This record gives sequence, C-alpha cells and structure tokens, in this order.
Amino acid sequence: DQQVKQNSPSLSVQEGRISILNCDYTNSMFDYFLWYKKYPAEGPTFLISISSIKDKNEDGRFTVFLNKSAKHLSLHIVPSQPGDSAVYFCAANRNTDKLIFGTGTRLQVFP
Amino acid sequence: ETGVTQTPRHLVMGMTNKKSLKCEQHLGHNAMYWYKQSAKKPLELMFVYNFKEQTENNSVPSRFSPECPNSSHLFLHLHTLQPEDSALYLCASSITGVSTDTQYFGPGTRLTVL
Repeated sequence: DQQVKQNSPSLSVQEGRISILNCDYTNSMFDYFLWYKKYPAEGPTFLISISSIKDKNEDGRFTVFLNKSAKHLSLHIVPSQPGDSAVYFCAANRNTDKLIFGTGTRLQVFP
Repeated sequence: ETGVTQTPRHLVMGMTNKKSLKCEQHLGHNAMYWYKQSAKKPLELMFVYNFKEQTENNSVPSRFSPECPNSSHLFLHLHTLQPEDSALYLCASSITGVSTDTQYFGPGTRLTVL
C-alpha cells in the first residue's frame, strides 16, 4: 500500500511556463515533506522541504505547497527552464520514522 | 572525490555469485543508508547505519548483508540473489540519522541478476 503517490508519471512544460508537480499521501501523521530531483545516471538531490506546521515554503523558483486537509503536496517551478528536466520525487515521514518516497514524475521542459 | 561515491556503477551477476557494492562518503557524515529502487517502484529503504551501528533493517532478506566498518564506508554484500533483485541500489548519507536531516545520495549501482 503506497502511502505517498505521484499519479502523473510524466509532465511536459514549455520553457518559461509554470511546472506543477503533484503528490498525494495517505498517512495524516506525516509531518515532514521533501522534494528530490534526479538527473539520469545521478543520485537524487534534495530540492526543498516543508514542515506540517507551514503551508508554503519558497526557495527561488521553487515553491512547495502543503494542503493538509486534502493530504496533498505540490511543487511549483516558475519559470521552468530546460535544466529543470529531471525526475522529481516527493517523500514524507513522521517523527523519526524512515522516509517514504513516491514513484516520481518525469518533467520535461522544452524550448 | 567529493560527495557520495558508489562502485561499481553497473554489475551483472549470476544467481550463484557473490559480489559486493561499495559506498564511500566524503562529507563527514555519521549516518549511511542503502536504498533499493526497482522499476516503476518507489525508493525503498533497506538499511540504516548511525555511527557504524545498524539502526534499521527494513525486513530485508538475508541474501543482502550490509557492513559498515566506519562512518565513511558502507558495503552491501550480495549472495545467491534472485532475478527480482535486479534494481538500482542507492547509497545515501546524512549528518546524523535524524529523519529530518538532508540525505545526500550517490549515483547508484545498477544491478542485473541473471
């Protein structure tokens, strides 16, 4: 039973536009959420995180939104750039428990 | 070398072989992790070592045997694997084993079991 779900396996966005990647979770006890980015032949790299006490966290072009009532997390990238083309994983955990990852969404940003 | 390195990057082995995966981190971290990523499945935590002590074994079959001789090195010894064990094996490290610590990943070893 997947506790963290990324229902869109891929997303294609034009350069300069907004990319919105979505993530749903089932465990209402999760209190920490992260996004990782992965390029081919490289390991995932941390991108941005958010605690359950907040509903938004922003870092440059990247903003993560948390809707606890809907158990929904989203990552907004504005403006999207070709270098953002990668696989994006969301992950969540509770207290000191292990991270639970989603299956990833492949983002392609085209010129 | 900087960051987290893994060797080999690719490995093909038969079911009767014994092989080892190596991970080394140059970040001065104290916690190290093994993850498995099978095709179209999420990253799945296998083991956690914190200050060289194993703190998590996520019900991993005994044909996978981890070893952490020091805080910088982590091995995964493999023996009598099955074809369904074919996957990308990722190593990660963090400052401590606290779950909110950022984990830094290596590039992974792509394992194929014939």
